[in-house]
Amino acid sequence: NAGVTQTPKFRVLKTGQSMTLLCAQDMNHEYMYWYRQDPGMGLRLIHYSVGEGTTAKGEVPDGYNVSRLKKQNFLLGLESAAPSQTSVYFCATEAYSERSPLHFGNGTRLTVT
Amino acid sequence: AQSVAQPEDQVNVAEGNPLTVKCTYSVSGNPYLFWYVQYPNRGLQFLLKYITGDNLVKGSYGFEAEFNKSQTSFHLKKPSALVSDSALYFCAVRDLPTLFSGGYNKLIFGAGTRLAVHP
Repeated sequence: NAGVTQTPKFRVLKTGQSMTLLCAQDMNHEYMYWYRQDPGMGLRLIHYSVGEGTTAKGEVPDGYNVSRLKKQNFLLGLESAAPSQTSVYFCATEAYSERSPLHFGNGTRLTVT
Repeated sequence: AQSVAQPEDQVNVAEGNPLTVKCTYSVSGNPYLFWYVQYPNRGLQFLLKYITGDNLVKGSYGFEAEFNKSQTSFHLKKPSALVSDSALYFCAVRDLPTLFSGGYNKLIFGAGTRLAVHP
């Protein structure tokens, strides 16, 4: 039982390049989230999805796009990477209940030079 | 708007001593409260939650947290710290969903507190 799997684990991009981060879950959870973690700032929500085919903006959505074509996958795209997007990105899932805890992947460390 | 504050960037404790990691929150109604722990190069792991009922909540690895509505606090505690408890701890809050929120409210995280337990 893998839980929440993020790929890749590490990536270095040059400014202006694009990439897609993949989050895959095998827990049949409805809700999926993308967060970024920066020192001293905790976790900030980028985008989220409350079900297959739906997405919504979080606190810091600019420069990112997402898609949830299948329930088990949530993709985060950077169309034109900027140094300010250097961060650790976490995907999380949640069952269909505000009382349930989030389950996190192990993160993707992205450096934009 | 909901918010959560962790007033200490770092907490230092000697092994065997009790530890407290502080958290205060602000919500418009009754809160759902959570604590998560993050070890190096890992994602966050759920420790415990308060939804309703007993103000003292027990969780994983011997941790507990006390909900105090009048002080809007949810401090994390452990009677006897271990070196292996050294990690980053996050408090999180969610307001109860209402018609005005569209029936859904997001989870808001604090900035995190680094716990260092010294031998």
